[in-house]
Amino acid sequence: DTGVSQNPRHKITKRGQNVTFRCDPISEHNRLYWYRQTLGQGPEFLTYFQNEAQLEKSRLLSDRFSAERPKGSFSTLEIQRTEQGDSAMYLCASSLWDSADTQYFGPGTRLTVL
Amino acid sequence: EDKVVQSPLSLVVHEGDTVTLNCSYEVTNFRSLLWYKQEKKAPTFLFMLTSSGIEKKSGRLSSILDKKELFSILNITATQTGDSAIYLCAVLYAGNMLTFGGGTRLMVKP
Repeated sequence: DTGVSQNPRHKITKRGQNVTFRCDPISEHNRLYWYRQTLGQGPEFLTYFQNEAQLEKSRLLSDRFSAERPKGSFSTLEIQRTEQGDSAMYLCASSLWDSADTQYFGPGTRLTVL
Repeated sequence: EDKVVQSPLSLVVHEGDTVTLNCSYEVTNFRSLLWYKQEKKAPTFLFMLTSSGIEKKSGRLSSILDKKELFSILNITATQTGDSAIYLCAVLYAGNMLTFGGGTRLMVKP
């Protein structure tokens, strides 16, 4: 399967712990996006990369959230000192650099903070 | 503030019915409007609309955009139970960001 993959698929953690999620985009896609989706809502944009450059990060929810894409391939999203309000589905998507309107989504990582 | 609003929030119909889902938007530097279907996991792409008045069709699904009135509709004819899902509308604007609406949850009963 050459689609977008995300790991882990599910993560349960205790409040205050740090968590890290990984996204592997479609191999030829330069752009990688992170979204958060809470129950009953549409996905909410967080940040995106073009190759290894993070071009937009003002939408990250707080300074506890950070993302990296060090080699321009896979990306990680880290949440430090998790709170119960961080419980959500975290979706990753990728696209070609000139096709931001054709984003392919991964299956998501569902985070539950106890 | 950029926003995308979908209506209705939820809809219950019987197989064979026709449904119309609505999406209105207010964004600066509009580029395109997209419709996605979301079942239990990742949103899957349905349509991309950039020009007013041109209907896109795929089987029983069709969609059209009105850039003057800033809305789009998604029609599903002869609904089937497999159409049960959340339908998401999203707008791409300057900055390459997608802004999603809250979705319409469709349930099709046999």
